[in-house]
Amino acid sequence: RKEVEQDPGPFNVPEGATVAFNCTYSNSASQSFFWYRQDCRKEPKLLMSVYSSGNEDGRFTAQLNRASQYISLLIRDSKLSDSATYLCVVNIPGNTPLVFGKGTRLSVIA
Amino acid sequence: DAGVTQSPTHLIKTRGQQVTLRCSPKSGHDTVSWYQQALGQGPQFIFQYYEEEERQRGNFPDRFSGHQYPNYSSELNVNALLLGDSALYLCASSRDFNNSPLHFGNGTRLTVT
Repeated sequence: RKEVEQDPGPFNVPEGATVAFNCTYSNSASQSFFWYRQDCRKEPKLLMSVYSSGNEDGRFTAQLNRASQYISLLIRDSKLSDSATYLCVVNIPGNTPLVFGKGTRLSVIA
Repeated sequence: DAGVTQSPTHLIKTRGQQVTLRCSPKSGHDTVSWYQQALGQGPQFIFQYYEEEERQRGNFPDRFSGHQYPNYSSELNVNALLLGDSALYLCASSRDFNNSPLHFGNGTRLTVT
């Protein structure tokens, strides 16, 4: 099993739709979780950290499920500007500091 | 408040050559990590520097080496370049090495011909 796995997509959704991405991780001892957004040919930018109790930032909601070892990102009322690749990031204790998934590509269509 | 800055932005080298990439961390950050991102892939961890020492290293050969200076800036050196080294090289800084969120620079796009 890979350390961090994401569905690569692409997810093609109309404006206003709700879309959800999942990310699974292999190490049950992982403690830090993040979602990053990366636009084409640009650097990744921190979208939000993921807390144990789940957290929300405007249209974005992140959740952590420790029992099943996955995190999720929910985007409500999708905008054209949400089109990007969303990277799941997890710390792997005793290994690399932060491990990135391959990313899930989202295209929001007018 | 300056963010993470990297130089150069683009670089073209031939096989066998050596390259040095540079990074200045975000103000207030003391830890620098380097990642390699191939097209269509997520960033792969190369190594991390803290207090001028390499703290952790990913699965990269010894051809990849680095350095951190007292002002926290960092360099990534790659010797004996291979075609497969062509990628976007990302520098990220953080407040400490304990899994604080990473802040990335714009990256250096290296092409090896």
